[in-house]
Amino acid sequence: KNQVEQSPQSLIILEGKNCTLQCNYTVSPFSNLRWYKQDTGRGPVSLTIMTFSENTKSNGRYTATLDADTKQSSLHITASQLSDSASYICVVTSFKAAGNKLTFGGGTRVLVKP
Amino acid sequence: DGGITQSPKYLFRKEGQNVTLSCEQNLNHDAMYWYRQDPGQGLRLIYYSQIVNDFQKGDIAEGYSVSREKKESFPLTVTSAQKNPTAFYLCASISPQGDTQYFGPGTRLTVL
Repeated sequence: KNQVEQSPQSLIILEGKNCTLQCNYTVSPFSNLRWYKQDTGRGPVSLTIMTFSENTKSNGRYTATLDADTKQSSLHITASQLSDSASYICVVTSFKAAGNKLTFGGGTRVLVKP
Repeated sequence: DGGITQSPKYLFRKEGQNVTLSCEQNLNHDAMYWYRQDPGQGLRLIYYSQIVNDFQKGDIAEGYSVSREKKESFPLTVTSAQKNPTAFYLCASISPQGDTQYFGPGTRLTVL
């Protein structure tokens, strides 16, 4: 069964500090992995996308890593800001003849405190 | 939110009523998706459509219906058969290569 598991479920960090979110997946076949940021009551917005051959992808203060061998990804937030408070969702895509299949993680809720 | 619009942003429904959520995209994407999100939970797939006039059930299709008469539009109807419809509904589209995906801003449905 295709699954995407994220940890921790939630975390609180102080403004200016760094944090790392984890994503483990058992999706097959693997096509790409995305990290999304979702503000409360809004639709998710893509932060990074990585294919099988990519190990690291950055988007400003967000840096995602991918280890396709261990099927693990991480999202590192550097020098957190109050606006980073949101849910972060890991999504793995499979390309199949019947169409793309997206498997979503449950998300990590991040709260940045001043 | 890319080129996807959803309306309305908030919707209230009485028990026993059907209600239709709108999703429109101008990205020329073939594939469109409807997801349901409950508090603290991941997105769950309701229906998806790969091309016009074709759609497939997702993981939680019971109590929902869709149509895809136009490439740009993929409306979702929440029927009275859906026992617990109060949730946040998200529409998404994805490019054929799967490398570009956009979500709409969402519709929050509340059953009174």
